[in-house]
Amino acid sequence: GQSLEQPSEVTAVEGAIVQINCTYQTSGFYGLSWYQQHDGGAPTFLSYNALDGLEETGRFSSFLSRSDSYGYLLLQELQMKDSASYFCAVARVYNQGGKLIFGQGTELSVKP
Amino acid sequence: NAGVTQTPKFQVLKTGQSMTLQCAQDMNHNSMYWYRQDPGMGLRLIYYSASEGTTDKGEVPNGYNVSRLNKREFSLRLESAAPSQTSVYFCASRQTDYEQYFGPGTRLTVT
Repeated sequence: GQSLEQPSEVTAVEGAIVQINCTYQTSGFYGLSWYQQHDGGAPTFLSYNALDGLEETGRFSSFLSRSDSYGYLLLQELQMKDSASYFCAVARVYNQGGKLIFGQGTELSVKP
Repeated sequence: NAGVTQTPKFQVLKTGQSMTLQCAQDMNHNSMYWYRQDPGMGLRLIYYSASEGTTDKGEVPNGYNVSRLNKREFSLRLESAAPSQTSVYFCASRQTDYEQYFGPGTRLTVT
């Protein structure tokens, strides 16, 4: 079957760096996406990795190691507004209709 | 350009009542999805529509039906609501293989 694991909660202080890990088990892995969700609102797309390595988008970076079935989201220079839930999601090669499989989410709390 | 819209935003039903959740997108996307989100759980796929005229079951389809009315609209119907269907429902449409746009959600309580 398919499964994704990520920590349920992470706490960090403003200005710090935090890493949210995601390990996955799935057949036909194609790529790993990250989404952000504030206060139960609409999830929004943050980043995507299809190849091994680091993708940087401003203060956010995402990393993938296909051989380790592992990825992470790195948030730098944390701000209070980064307090949110973060979900990793797997896209598969034969993903009929572009389905994504989501992890259970990591709730990030940024403290002053 | 409104993106993905959902109605209603909130709904309270009694057990056994029926209702339809509406979703529309204005981005000309082919694929659309319905998810439910429960506390401590991620987004679980209920049904999806890869293209106009097609629908398929997702991970948790029991108790639900869907209609892809046209390319823009994808509705989710609860025929006989149960307390276990209390949840937040999100509609999404597909931009790429890895990026979906989500609507604001419908918060449904079944008593």
